[in-house]
Amino acid sequence: QSVLTQPPSVSAAPGQKVTISCSGSSSNIGNNHVSWYQQLPGTAPKLLIYENNKRPSGIPDRFSGSKSGTSATLGITGLQTGDEADYYCGTWDSSLSAVVFGGGTKLTVL
Amino acid sequence: QVQLQESGPGLVKPSGTLSLTCAVSGGSISGSNWWTWVRQPPGKGLEWIGEIYHSGSTNYNPSLKSRVTISVDKSKNQFSLKLSSVTAADTAVYYCARVGATPYYFDYWGQGTLVTVSS
Repeated sequence: QSVLTQPPSVSAAPGQKVTISCSGSSSNIGNNHVSWYQQLPGTAPKLLIYENNKRPSGIPDRFSGSKSGTSATLGITGLQTGDEADYYCGTWDSSLSAVVFGGGTKLTVL
Repeated sequence: QVQLQESGPGLVKPSGTLSLTCAVSGGSISGSNWWTWVRQPPGKGLEWIGEIYHSGSTNYNPSLKSRVTISVDKSKNQFSLKLSSVTAADTAVYYCARVGATPYYFDYWGQGTLVTVSS
């Protein structure tokens, strides 16, 4: 059982938009920055979003992040088959004194 | 471009100690960033293990703290992980990563190394 709650899976057609939610509490998302990671099959996680809504150099603006209260959302527009991956949210939990992650969401581009 | 590379035994016996090293290239481990370990059991999600600063300061996941030691070797530009009293539940891909400029995100990752705990 992960501290942060993500839907196990989402799907959408190529070219469409999808959002992935990440729900937490005041001890984590509510008072700390959220980051998002993309993990393609058989590879290491890759940073997509940091500090809730910032993109590292090289990450296309098709990827966006937002946070409201104790929830965060990753948005992906113009879906491509290459976006099929597992997506994880992460943040610091002040009560646990640990970095915590969501359980991951598998994105399928139909 | 910072690069990280994990190395160490791929098989550890139950009750033994898992030992891994992460070599950092393209940047100094003595800079302003912390360095971290994350693991992922097969088919499961990510779990943060702990982190270290080049001064030797560490922070550990409370759930693993009694068994974990992370150390740094500035002369070799690398840092290491030791996990004691391992069981099959410690079987996972272990990743090393760099902590970003503000807490907490991980901006550079190693490719990961699978460690299996089995007799």
